Amino acid sequence: SQQGEEDPQALSIQEGENATMNCSYKTSINNLQWYRQNSGRGLVHLILIRSNEREKHSGRLRVTLDTSKKSSSLLITASRAADTASYFCATDARGGANSKLTFGKGITLSVRP
Amino acid sequence: GAVVSQHPSRVICKSGTSVKIECRSLDFQATTMFWYRQFPKKSLMLMATSNEGSKATYEQGVEKDKFLINHASLTLSTLTVTSAHPEDSSFYICSAPIPASTDTQYFGPGTRLTVL
Repeated sequence: SQQGEEDPQALSIQEGENATMNCSYKTSINNLQWYRQNSGRGLVHLILIRSNEREKHSGRLRVTLDTSKKSSSLLITASRAADTASYFCATDARGGANSKLTFGKGITLSVRP
Repeated sequence: GAVVSQHPSRVICKSGTSVKIECRSLDFQATTMFWYRQFPKKSLMLMATSNEGSKATYEQGVEKDKFLINHASLTLSTLTVTSAHPEDSSFYICSAPIPASTDTQYFGPGTRLTVL
């Protein structure tokens, strides 16, 4: 069964605007990760946040984690047309040598030039 | 930098034939690799964990005799779809843990399998 559930499922914004994507999960986690997938391609790791962290930044990306609500959000600031892709959250229940990812359904982000 | 490659990128085969997909780690060794399946506009579903030198670990509901996995070296894992049927048509993606960061993974570019 799906662990992560992202919302919205599709998001269309204008270039320069911020994009916020949310992910909810059901069971306890070691860490949560966000990946990006361009159409018909593999996934690219964006950012990882551990269960004892609340917020992390990486360039234009900001991710938050609320373990009490079992939810995470990914914020992309000052979006660009090149950010158009599908974004997935993935949870890892154990981490380390026993790491195994469970992916959500994904969010399709379209950034209009 | 380190990447994961897959071959072939696309394959079309007739129903009943077997298809082998290769997943290679470039410039790094991977004792573990993962195989996922993705349907159009859907999420990735983990099929199995490939372990170098030992048997693969399959997820619940995945037929091990249908999807044969071999991880014969530290840089190569293969997935063989045996006696393929149209319902096996999908996008297959492999991944390997990023060295020194076992919690994150490099993903291959995927293989589009179409079974006629």
